[in-house]
Amino acid sequence: EAQVTQNPRYLITVTGKKLTVTCSQNMNHEYMSWYRQDPGLGLRQIYYSMNVEVTDKGDVPEGYKVSRKEKRNFPLILESPSPNQTSLYFCASSPIPSGKGYEQYFGPGTRLTVT
Amino acid sequence: AQSVTQPDIHITVSEGASLELRCNYSYGATPYLFWYVQSPGQGLQLLLKYFSGDTLVQGIKGFEAEFKRSQSSFNLRKPSVHWSDAAEYFCAVGAGDKIIFGKGTRLHILP
Repeated sequence: EAQVTQNPRYLITVTGKKLTVTCSQNMNHEYMSWYRQDPGLGLRQIYYSMNVEVTDKGDVPEGYKVSRKEKRNFPLILESPSPNQTSLYFCASSPIPSGKGYEQYFGPGTRLTVT
Repeated sequence: AQSVTQPDIHITVSEGASLELRCNYSYGATPYLFWYVQSPGQGLQLLLKYFSGDTLVQGIKGFEAEFKRSQSSFNLRKPSVHWSDAAEYFCAVGAGDKIIFGKGTRLHILP
């Protein structure tokens, strides 16, 4: 089954404790992206990757890191989480960027709480 | 700058009534337009998309949307809503290497 998977689905952590949210897709997509969703703000893009070893900042990259060492995986790293990073996070992938006309396929989401 | 506006944060309709969710976009070139739906506790699922051609686009679950270039709009419609349509709906525009989302409209259904 074609899908985007994220782990963990739920995470409660404390300020400053490094964490990684994994994202994997099995559709051989070149484009992958991370979003955060906050009430009243919709989805905001954190980082995206056009292909292996190619990443770029989205609209809200501060406090986050990503890497793309393999085509299928695109982990999101919070080196020192803070409470303002409490949010619902989505990973998505597509064959090429949506600006070129393709829809994105979304993972189920990771709800992160930083205390 | 590219942007997407969904003027209605919440909309409530009765089951069986018709629905229209509004979306306006700002983009300099021919837009790629999308509507996604997010059911409670779920990820986003594509309802429909517009790339070119016929301005009336049919999607899944009985939804349709009409692209009006003169009004920079891409409104979503459904003739008769079901209780299972209660969800949050996002309009989006494909812009270069990105997709830009509106802030969403939450749809409530009255029995």
